[in-house]
Formats: sequence, C-alpha cells, structure tokens
Amino acid sequence: KQEVTQIPAALSVPEGENLVLNCSFTDSAIYNLQWFRQDPGKGLTSLLLIQSSQREQTSGRLNASLDKSSGRSTLYIAASQPGDSATYLCAVRENYGGSQGNLIFGKGTKLSVKP
Amino acid sequence: NAGVTQTPKFQVLKTGQSMTLQCAQDMNHEYMSWYRQDPGMGLRLIHYSVGAGITDQGEVPNGYNVSRSTTEDFPLRLLSAAPSQTSVYFCASRGGYGNQPQHFGDGTRLSIL
Repeated sequence: KQEVTQIPAALSVPEGENLVLNCSFTDSAIYNLQWFRQDPGKGLTSLLLIQSSQREQTSGRLNASLDKSSGRSTLYIAASQPGDSATYLCAVRENYGGSQGNLIFGKGTKLSVKP
Repeated sequence: NAGVTQTPKFQVLKTGQSMTLQCAQDMNHEYMSWYRQDPGMGLRLIHYSVGAGITDQGEVPNGYNVSRSTTEDFPLRLLSAAPSQTSVYFCASRGGYGNQPQHFGDGTRLSIL
C-alpha cells in the first residue's frame, strides 16, 4: 500500500529565507506527483505537477523535484513571503494509467513565514 | 470559470439524519472523487468515478453512497449520519487521460451532533 510522508509537519521561517519541503513515498511505481497549497478553511490549489518521467518542474519562485527511484520529492520556495504561509500537501497518483489512478496524500507541512 | 462547485458550504445534522453533498464540475472531466479531511489523518479517499455510470470505493467508503448519472455531477450521500462522519468533505475532478492536474472544490464542512 502506497504511503506518503511529509517532514516536517510544521515549519516557521523569517521572511526572505529560501526553504525546502520534503515528501517521501513508499512505492516508486507512480504516474505523477502533485504539490498543492491549502489556506485555512479553503480547498486545495494545485501548484506543480511532475510527471513520472520528469526530474523537476518550476513555477515562479517554486521548484519541485522528483527522484522516483528513491521515493522522494522536494518543494523549494525561494525568497519566502508572508503570503506563502499555508499548508503544503504532496500527493502521488497511483500508476493504473488512463483515466484511473487515485491521489494518495501526505498529511502536509504547515508553513509560517514571519515578517 | 466555475471549476468544481460544492454545496452546501456548511451543514449541521443530527445523528441518524440523511443528506446529500452536491458536487458539480464544468470542465467535462471524466474522473471525479470525494475525500474527507480530518485533523491528524490527512485527506482520505471515500469514493471515485472514472466516468458516467462507473463508481468505485476508496479507502473509507463505509456510510457513504455515490452515483454518477452525468459527467458533470457526482453527489455524495450520507444515509444515516453518525458523529464519526463529522469532517470537511472535498470533491475533486481531473481530465481522463494523461498527466492532468486534479482540481478541488472549496469543501463542505459537516458537523454531526
């Protein structure tokens, strides 16, 4: 059974710092990996999706990497801002192909960026 | 651009009552799913559907029913609500094939007294 772990559970950093969030998964046979952001009381917003054949994806100040063989992904946030404060969730999509394959989520890292 | 729409946003029920959580998407997505989110437990899959007329169980299906009569709608039914079903419920959808990102609704916050 696929299990997804995110460490640390919570992180507090001063504004302007570069930071890395970690995600690990137990079964390397994934279809893709997706990073989400969740603000308090809100739904999930997709940040980045990395296909199983890719090593990284970038969007603005965000960079996500994937090492499928070791079962690891990282989300790098450059020059953090108070507006980045949220919970970040990692999810792997099971590799059933086609239209199937459910997302398995980690429990998230709660990020607080202090002004 | 509506995306995934969930109604209601908040609901309080008494034990034993029934209700339906509504979910609709306007992106012509084949795949739709329901998750519940509980403190310390993360997001857990309840039921999912890969197309109209096709549904299947996820990790925590007990106490919930679903149906998919159209591509757009995927309602979640609680037949006899229990306090253990107090949670935040999220509906999600994505395109059927390839590496499509999953889109989520804003959630329904449900309390069972």
